[in-house]
Amino acid sequence: NAGVTQTPKFQVLKTGQSMTLQCAQDMNHEYMSWYRQDPGMGLRLIHYSVGAGITDQGEVPNGYNVSRSTTEDFPLRLLSAAPSQTSVYFCASSPTSPIGGYTFGSGTRLTVV
Amino acid sequence: AQSVTQPDIHITVSEGASLELRCNYSYGATPYLFWYVQSPGQGLQLLLKYFSGDTLVQGIKGFEAEFKRSQSSFNLRKPSVHWSDAAEYFCAVGARAAGNKLTFGGGTRVLVKP
Repeated sequence: NAGVTQTPKFQVLKTGQSMTLQCAQDMNHEYMSWYRQDPGMGLRLIHYSVGAGITDQGEVPNGYNVSRSTTEDFPLRLLSAAPSQTSVYFCASSPTSPIGGYTFGSGTRLTVV
Repeated sequence: AQSVTQPDIHITVSEGASLELRCNYSYGATPYLFWYVQSPGQGLQLLLKYFSGDTLVQGIKGFEAEFKRSQSSFNLRKPSVHWSDAAEYFCAVGARAAGNKLTFGGGTRVLVKP
């Protein structure tokens, strides 16, 4: 079982560049989320989706876009990268709700210079 | 709004010794509580969760946690630590009234001395 797959694992961007972080799950989970992890701040919710075609903002959505065209995929787009977006990004999925417990991907470490 | 505090940023423990990680939450009603573990370079893995009922919850890898409503705490314990327990541990709180979204604490990094 692949679980939650994130690509790439590492990325360096220049300020102003755009990119897409990929997330795919093969567990037929309805609920998917994107978090960023910064030292001492735990994980903060960027965007989430309760099912295909439905997305919503989390705690820190500015500078990021998402879409959910299929159950399996939930890409995160950085529109114009800024140094403040340097972070580790995690995608997570759950059958219907995070209350049931998340399955996390292994993360993408992004550096914006 | 719900919030979670993990007062200890780092804890160092000797292999074989007991471990207790503190977690305090703020929420008006009974929350759903979680502990996750993150090994170096990995994503988070669910250790255990509390919804209701017995306030002592058993999890994977020999961990347990106790919910104490009067202290708004959900501390994680392990009687005897193994070197493989070196990791970062995150407490999280969720609630249906908050749309089931989870709020994570800042994490506690555990170092295990031989």
